[in-house]
Amino acid sequence: DSGVTQTPKHLITATGQRVTLRCSPRSGDLSVYWYQQSLDQGLQFLIQYYNGEERAKGNILERFSAQQFPDLHSELNLSSLELGDSALYFCASSAHRGETEAFFGQGTRLTVV
Amino acid sequence: GENVEQHPSTLSVQEGDSAVIKCTYSDSASNYFPWYKQELGKRPQLIIDIRSNVGEKKDQRIAVTLNKTAKHFSLHITETQPEDSAVYFCAASTDNYGQNFVFGPGTRLSVLP
Repeated sequence: DSGVTQTPKHLITATGQRVTLRCSPRSGDLSVYWYQQSLDQGLQFLIQYYNGEERAKGNILERFSAQQFPDLHSELNLSSLELGDSALYFCASSAHRGETEAFFGQGTRLTVV
Repeated sequence: GENVEQHPSTLSVQEGDSAVIKCTYSDSASNYFPWYKQELGKRPQLIIDIRSNVGEKKDQRIAVTLNKTAKHFSLHITETQPEDSAVYFCAASTDNYGQNFVFGPGTRLSVLP
């Protein structure tokens, strides 16, 4: 167990819908990262937060948004879902900025039908 | 921003042989270089890491080398076993402002019995 909790583990939804993925970082970790992993693909960076503030953005679609709350948990919102958004979404956390290990959650598998 | 390249994309070795995966990075500010192993359907997990003030680090059958001047680092696995079969990701990160944990595209390692 990495200490990073993602909910839900699985999500099946229809095209056009909106979903929210939740991530609770390890206790004390200030940085949260979101990645998208499509079938047999790499870890595509979406967005990064540090202590509640957005720190870096990857090729995140405008239909996607995220935030980190004062208690440091984070949510990734995906709207107007398309079939191509089906993927495994990982959240990771690290203690500080980027000089220590990042721990991954078990991921949320999103299936858009 | 940081860009990490990784080679080869696939690698097949006979059990007992060695495997080498190479990565290059672009941002000289990167100072932390972790390697993650991801088994099918599971979360990426750290197997070894190295910081920029160290040239080499070893942990049993796994070793990592870093050449800061050339901006490349490598993963070496000796005496490979079937359970080493997985996808391996390298990453570059920094404690400076900017995106942390930029991952390479991954190497699929198959250890043949």
